[in-house]
Amino acid sequence: DAGITQSPRYKITETGRQVTLMCHQTWSHSYMFWYRQDLGHGLRLIYYSAAADITDKGEVPDGYVVSRSKTENFPLTLESATRSQTSVYFCASSEIRAPNEKLFFGSGTQLSVL
Amino acid sequence: KQEVTQIPAALSVPEGENLVLNCSFTDSAIYNLQWFRQDPGKGLTSLLLIQSSQREQTSGRLNASLDKSSGRSTLYIAASQPGDSATYLCAVRGGPTSGTYKYIFGTGTRLKVLA
Repeated sequence: DAGITQSPRYKITETGRQVTLMCHQTWSHSYMFWYRQDLGHGLRLIYYSAAADITDKGEVPDGYVVSRSKTENFPLTLESATRSQTSVYFCASSEIRAPNEKLFFGSGTQLSVL
Repeated sequence: KQEVTQIPAALSVPEGENLVLNCSFTDSAIYNLQWFRQDPGKGLTSLLLIQSSQREQTSGRLNASLDKSSGRSTLYIAASQPGDSATYLCAVRGGPTSGTYKYIFGTGTRLKVLA
């Protein structure tokens, strides 16, 4: 199916473990984004990518690592999970020029760090 | 640094009312502005996108306006329905002058339309 998919949908992990959240889009959009959503903070940008092998930090990048070896995939890794990283994580993609300049979101990954 | 604010944080209205949601941003050098809807436990869905050169966009009962010089956008919902209950977020995208094309989001307005 066309679109942007995130996996897993739910994840429970322990403090100190490494966790990778997956994001896959089928539109070949150049831009991909990772956001976290927390009560009281709204959506905050973690990392974004303008193309394969081009990534840059957002507002809250500490403790996270991204890679983009292929245009369609943009995994987010928590190197050593902490309780403060408990959140809902959203992946999104878009182009710069019409008609695909809208931002499209995945369904999110709810991560709990115990 | 771009900051986006949405007021009010929550709004409750009776069915049938026309309503306005507000979004303000601090840096007027934006590429575009989008309004999104988010239902509980779900991702965000884009409702309207306004280019920096445009003044408004319309889709059905929704109308979004943009005043770049004053750093404001409004989302007008006509004849509200209980199905419109959701959180509405605005996001601005930086452009060539900022050197990036990333989106910055407001914290949203939680709307409840009472039947």
